Amino acid sequence: DTAVSQTPKYLVTQMGNDKSIKCEQNLGHDTMYWYKQDSKKFLKIMFSYNNKELIINETVPNRFSPKSPDKAHLNLHINSLELGDSAVYFCASSQLDRPNYGYTFGSGTRLTVV
Amino acid sequence: AQSVSQHNHHVILSEAASLELGCNYSYGGTVNLFWYVQYPGQHLQLLLKYFSGDPLVKGIKGFEAEFIKSKFSFNLRKPSVQWSDTAEYFCAVNLHNYGQNFVFGPGTRLSVLP
Repeated sequence: DTAVSQTPKYLVTQMGNDKSIKCEQNLGHDTMYWYKQDSKKFLKIMFSYNNKELIINETVPNRFSPKSPDKAHLNLHINSLELGDSAVYFCASSQLDRPNYGYTFGSGTRLTVV
Repeated sequence: AQSVSQHNHHVILSEAASLELGCNYSYGGTVNLFWYVQYPGQHLQLLLKYFSGDPLVKGIKGFEAEFIKSKFSFNLRKPSVQWSDTAEYFCAVNLHNYGQNFVFGPGTRLSVLP
């Protein structure tokens, strides 16, 4: 039973398209995150939601829009995709009042923009 | 702003060699410290963590790490590596009372030669 699941696992799309990545966690965590991992494996946080409220919004293009319909889901919508958006996007979750537990990560979505 | 540095970008070892990966952070307050491992094509998995108590922590697969507060370090060690340890290793830090402020180091790629 997967704790943090992302779909799709792979996504190949053309420049200019709009796409969404979905994330769901069944751990009962109250906080979810989107991270971007570039080709050099560097992990950068993009967004964080706590109980459906946005708490971290790093400097990312406004073509990226997260949506959290409930605390178990955090989706990422990307408009007008660009070549530089190609990366692996990881969803993660945690319990905010238990920082020592760390994060649980999803398996990632490899986005390739052609 | 707090940051995490990892000393080596790429480490290449032969099987049975000993491993030490360096990690330093720049924050003077109380922190939680983590090592995550990412096997090729997979998501990040928690290897071990420190949040209080014995500064020498043991994780899965024979890994251990030592927290040295005076040096702001949390180095990862394993006495004898295996080919299956080939992966990317990430050190991460969050502030003790702020679960959402999780910062990853740039990662160290470990290649173990059979």
